Amino acid sequence: EAQVTQNPRYLITVTGKKLTVTCSQNMNHEYMSWYRQDPGLGLRQIYYSMNVEVTDKGDVPEGYKVSRKEKRNFPLILESPSPNQTSLYFCASSLGPNTEAFFGQGTRLTVV
Amino acid sequence: GQNIDQPTEMTATEGAIVQINCTYQTSGFNGLFWYQQHAGEAPTFLSYNVLDGLEEKGRFSSFLSRSKGYSYLLLKELQMKDSASYLCAVREVTTDSWGKLQFGAGTQVVVTP
Repeated sequence: EAQVTQNPRYLITVTGKKLTVTCSQNMNHEYMSWYRQDPGLGLRQIYYSMNVEVTDKGDVPEGYKVSRKEKRNFPLILESPSPNQTSLYFCASSLGPNTEAFFGQGTRLTVV
Repeated sequence: GQNIDQPTEMTATEGAIVQINCTYQTSGFNGLFWYQQHAGEAPTFLSYNVLDGLEEKGRFSSFLSRSKGYSYLLLKELQMKDSASYLCAVREVTTDSWGKLQFGAGTQVVVTP
């Protein structure tokens, strides 16, 4: 089944403790993105990647890192999480930036 | 996204038609998407417009006017399952970025019996 898989689905962590949210797709898509979704603000793009080793900042990259060492995986790294990073995070993939994006089921992160 | 405006909420009756407007400002327009998001779920793709005009797909149609920075999503023959948030998203290509996608805050559509 074609899908985008994020893990974990739910995470509660403490300020400053490094964490990684994984994202994997099995559709051989080149374009992948990370978003955060907050009430009243909609989806905001954090980082995106056009292909392996090619990444660029979205609108809200501060406090986040990404890597794209393999085509199928695009992990989101929070080196030192802070409470303002409490949010719902979505990973998405598509053949290209102008094609239908498929979203993962989301990761609800709480930083206390 | 700060450059994309859409109404916060719309209410319509089952079987009716609803039009959700989206206006945007960007220096490097390269396509506009509409996504549907049910509460607690991930967004799902509805439509993509890059040229002016109307794209029809079953009960849903999307229109784009690049000169006016305007799009709308038309939902016909509304069903209860159409109650969801509808997200307008614009792809922007500039000298600094090549794949950035900005979303509006979403329009919550409530379908009543």
